[in-house]
Amino acid sequence: AQTVTQSQPEMSVQEAETVTLSCTYDTSESDYYLFWYKQPPSRQMILVIRQEAYKQQNATENRFSVNFQKAAKSFSLKISDSQLGDAAMYFCAYRSIGNSNSGYALNFGKGTSLLVTP
Amino acid sequence: KAGVTQTPRYLIKTRGQQVTLSCSPISGHRSVSWYQQTPGQGLQFLFEYFSETQRNKGNFPGRFSGRQFSNSRSEMNVSTLELGDSALYLCASSAVPGSYNEQFFGPGTRLTVL
Repeated sequence: AQTVTQSQPEMSVQEAETVTLSCTYDTSESDYYLFWYKQPPSRQMILVIRQEAYKQQNATENRFSVNFQKAAKSFSLKISDSQLGDAAMYFCAYRSIGNSNSGYALNFGKGTSLLVTP
Repeated sequence: KAGVTQTPRYLIKTRGQQVTLSCSPISGHRSVSWYQQTPGQGLQFLFEYFSETQRNKGNFPGRFSGRQFSNSRSEMNVSTLELGDSALYLCASSAVPGSYNEQFFGPGTRLTVL
């Protein structure tokens, strides 16, 4: 089974600054998907960004970008120009390519709590 | 489109009871997955349903079961509740097929077992 590790239980960043959240994973598969989800205090899980393992180019969504290092099995999330609304739990997740028989279950890391200070 | 809805939002039960949680996926989505979130274990996959068939199951005891109806709505049931079953239960729906098969999450049901 694939495991996802987030080594930073808590992180803090000042408004307008940049912060990087770390994620490593363990897999023997060559193709897979990686995701970052945000869970604010409302508990609603929101997809922030996703990466296909076969794509070399790092994904970017506005202020959010990833540094995907396939050989190192590392998938970090960079948040630029941090805003108060970015404060939340951030979960890194792994998903096998999957199929209609095996399904599409997500394997989550334990999460990183991000605090944004004014 | 309306998002994923889960009912009830909060639930308090006592040990030994059973509970049923409901999830209505986004219109047109045919796959529903369930996850359990606890402070100690984090987010853990329970099961996934597609076209009324369970096609994947996580490492949970048989007390945890689920089903999906022809309209894609899903229910999960936990029998003989234990204190450790206290958790946030999240439901996610996705449209199939799709290379990303992005899962959209509901707000969750907070279950407290006393």
